[in-house]
Amino acid sequence: NAGVTQTPKFQVLKTGQSMTLQCAQDMNHEYMSWYRQDPGMGLRLIHYSVGAGITDQGEVPNGYNVSRSTTEDFPLRLLSAAPSQTSVYFCASRSRGGLYEQYFGPGTRLTVT
Amino acid sequence: AQSVAQPEDQVNVAEGNPLTVKCTYSVSGNPYLFWYVQYPNRGLQFLLKYITGDNLVKGSYGFEAEFNKSQTSFHLKKPSALVSDSALYFCAVRDMRYNQGGKLIFGQGTELSVKP
Repeated sequence: NAGVTQTPKFQVLKTGQSMTLQCAQDMNHEYMSWYRQDPGMGLRLIHYSVGAGITDQGEVPNGYNVSRSTTEDFPLRLLSAAPSQTSVYFCASRSRGGLYEQYFGPGTRLTVT
Repeated sequence: AQSVAQPEDQVNVAEGNPLTVKCTYSVSGNPYLFWYVQYPNRGLQFLLKYITGDNLVKGSYGFEAEFNKSQTSFHLKKPSALVSDSALYFCAVRDMRYNQGGKLIFGQGTELSVKP
């Protein structure tokens, strides 16, 4: 099993550009989430999905879109990048019966200039 | 409001000494509590969890955590620290605002440094 994979590892964007962060898992997990990690703030939930075709907002959803067309993939789209979106982004997944133990990808470090 | 606090930004320990990384929480109802570890340039790895039962929970790499309901704490402990334990540690609690998906609220993280 590859677990949770994320691409790219690093990305630099200019303000106003758009891009998609990719996330995939091969564990057949129903639940997937996107977090951002900022110094001194822990991880904050952006969006989450409880299954294919179902997504919902977390605590910091503004400026981001998600979709879940398959169980395996959960891409995160930045519509118009802003410097405030400079962060490290983590995708996570867990099974329905996993008692909230989440598996995290290696992260994408995004810089917006 | 639900929250998790890790009062120490950094903990320094000598190798072989016991270590404690502190965590306190505030949630409504019974808490589901977690510890994760993050090594440099890596994603978070699950260490251990408390759902119910024995207040002392054992996890990966020799770590354990003690749930204290009266003090609303869930401190991470290890009897003898290793240099390889040096990493960033996050405490987390299930977010009771969400009925599905197992969303977690994370503390701000504690940097553990173990010196030889």
